Amino acid sequence: GQNIDQPTEMTATEGAIVQINCTYQTSGFNGLFWYQQHAGEAPTFLSYNVLDGLEEKGRFSSFLSRSKGYSYLLLKELQMKDSASYLCAVFDSNYQLIWGAGTKLIIKP
Amino acid sequence: DVKVTQSSRYLVKRTGEKVFLECVQDMDHENMFWYRQDPGLGLRLIYFSYDVKMKEKGDIPEGYSVSREKKERFSLILESASTNQTSMYLCASRLGIGESSPLHFGNGTRLTVT
Repeated sequence: GQNIDQPTEMTATEGAIVQINCTYQTSGFNGLFWYQQHAGEAPTFLSYNVLDGLEEKGRFSSFLSRSKGYSYLLLKELQMKDSASYLCAVFDSNYQLIWGAGTKLIIKP
Repeated sequence: DVKVTQSSRYLVKRTGEKVFLECVQDMDHENMFWYRQDPGLGLRLIYFSYDVKMKEKGDIPEGYSVSREKKERFSLILESASTNQTSMYLCASRLGIGESSPLHFGNGTRLTVT
């Protein structure tokens, strides 16, 4: 079966750095997405990785290792507004999106 | 920016009612999707559509149907609502099949069936 694993919940301190991991087992791979979802709102697109390596976008970076079936989202200089759920999703060989259950990130002052 | 609009943020319906959830996107996207989101579970795909008049079952189509008569509009229908269909429903669109373009989501409809 196809599976994506993320930690259920993480806690971090304002101003710090946090890394949210995502491991996947899918039938084929055509890219990996990270989305941010604030409570009661729609998911919004953060990043897309299809090649190995690190993609940096301001305070957020996303890393992919296809051989390990692994990605992480790195958030720097955490702000209170970063409190949200972070969803990992993989395009399989048929371009169907497989979703993880999401990681709820709690930021404390 | 792509705008995906869902007609209602909150709905309360009774068991057995027929329920229509409407979704409109303004960027001429071919692909449209309906998901439901429940606590502790990932987004689960109900139905999707690659083009007008086309529809495909997702992972959990039972109890639902869809309609896509126009490219910009994708409707989700609960033929006879049941309490286990209480959930957050998310509509999304993206550019085209085979494209690695991201999904753009509407703000969601929180449906409660009593």
